[in-house]
Amino acid sequence: AQSVSQHNHHVILSEAASLELGCNYSYGGTVNLFWYVQYPGQHLQLLLKYFSGDPLVKGIKGFEAEFIKSKFSFNLRKPSVQWSDTAEYFCAVKSNFGNEKLTFGTGTRLTIIP
Amino acid sequence: DTGVSQDPRHKITKRGQNVTFRCDPISEHNRLYWYRQTLGQGPEFLTYFQNEAQLEKSRLLSDRFSAERPKGSFSTLEIQRTEQGDSAMYLCASSLEQGKNYGYTFGSGTRLTVV
Repeated sequence: AQSVSQHNHHVILSEAASLELGCNYSYGGTVNLFWYVQYPGQHLQLLLKYFSGDPLVKGIKGFEAEFIKSKFSFNLRKPSVQWSDTAEYFCAVKSNFGNEKLTFGTGTRLTIIP
Repeated sequence: DTGVSQDPRHKITKRGQNVTFRCDPISEHNRLYWYRQTLGQGPEFLTYFQNEAQLEKSRLLSDRFSAERPKGSFSTLEIQRTEQGDSAMYLCASSLEQGKNYGYTFGSGTRLTVV
């Protein structure tokens, strides 16, 4: 069974600081990887996704993530955060074969201090 | 608005009552998913439809839960004899079959409180 670990439960940064949120998954086969964001009071929105090819994936709002297969990781990065990035961030994995379910991590709450 | 719609947004019910939630997916999406999210946790998969066929169900979906997607359009999730442990946010998502643009679009959810 697949699982996702997000070790940072709550991250607090000042505006303009660089961000890296950790995501490790457990699954032996080929996977698709996703980062979703949930702004306060809003629904989950897709930030970026990895299916194949270039392991460095660029998403919306200046976010990027790097898939490192040997480390089973898909960390999210942003060079300079803004107050509007305050949200909850979820990493998710889907196996490339068989079932269609997304398995989510527990999320990382990001607070940006102006 | 062409997103995923869920109704109602909030539902408070007494323990033992039945509740039903509705999800209207993006019209061209043939896949529809139900997830449940409790406080401090990520969404957990409940079930998935491709068109009108329910293809996968989680062990989380006890026999008190039933989901339907008649005609492959909107879907309903019914919980019978609700328990306090059913209190959660119920999320619906839809997607096209896998491809370059693959990705779930989530609705805003239905928050269920069982008192």
